[in-house]
Amino acid sequence: NAGVTQTPKFQVLKTGQSMTLQCAQDMNHEYMSWYRQDPGMGLRLIHYSVGAGITDQGEVPNGYNVSRSTTEDFPLRLLSAAPSQTSVYFCASSATGAYIYGYTFGSGTRLTVV
Amino acid sequence: KQEVTQIPAALSVPEGENLVLNCSFTDSAIYNLQWFRQDPGKGLTSLLLIQSSQREQTSGRLNASLDKSSGRSTLYIAASQPGDSATYLCAVTGSSNTGKLIFGQGTTLQVKP
Repeated sequence: NAGVTQTPKFQVLKTGQSMTLQCAQDMNHEYMSWYRQDPGMGLRLIHYSVGAGITDQGEVPNGYNVSRSTTEDFPLRLLSAAPSQTSVYFCASSATGAYIYGYTFGSGTRLTVV
Repeated sequence: KQEVTQIPAALSVPEGENLVLNCSFTDSAIYNLQWFRQDPGKGLTSLLLIQSSQREQTSGRLNASLDKSSGRSTLYIAASQPGDSATYLCAVTGSSNTGKLIFGQGTTLQVKP
């Protein structure tokens, strides 16, 4: 069972560059979401999706874009990277019966913007 | 707006002690509450999930309780070991269950041999 797979694990970007953080799950989960983790700020929700073709904004969506064309994949796009986006990014998924099964997290992508 | 608070922020105990980590939330209309463990530089590992209709869940040396009316949850760790050293996070899902987790800031636990 692969669970939730995030790639890459580490990335260094220059200010203004764009990139896509990949997230894939093989559990046929309907719900997927992206969080960023910063010292002193905890984990904050960026974007989330309740199914293919359906996405919505979380607490800190500015500078990020998402789409969900398949159940398995939920990529996060940084349109024009800024130093403030230096963070650790986590992807999570859950079945619609999340009240029973809870959420599964990927191992994270550590992003540095210089 | 739901807010989740964890106290204390850090805790250091000698090996073998029983300990309690606290989590409080401001809106009692939650779907469930989940406790996670995070080791330095690693991802989140789910420890226990308590549904809104439940009072507690147990897994090995861990016991989590939930009191929705008071907006509180506790994570009890029995006979702590150095391997328990990590950051413990609690997170709640709102009553609409839209896939949104609201996290506390975490409690960093150090268990000394």
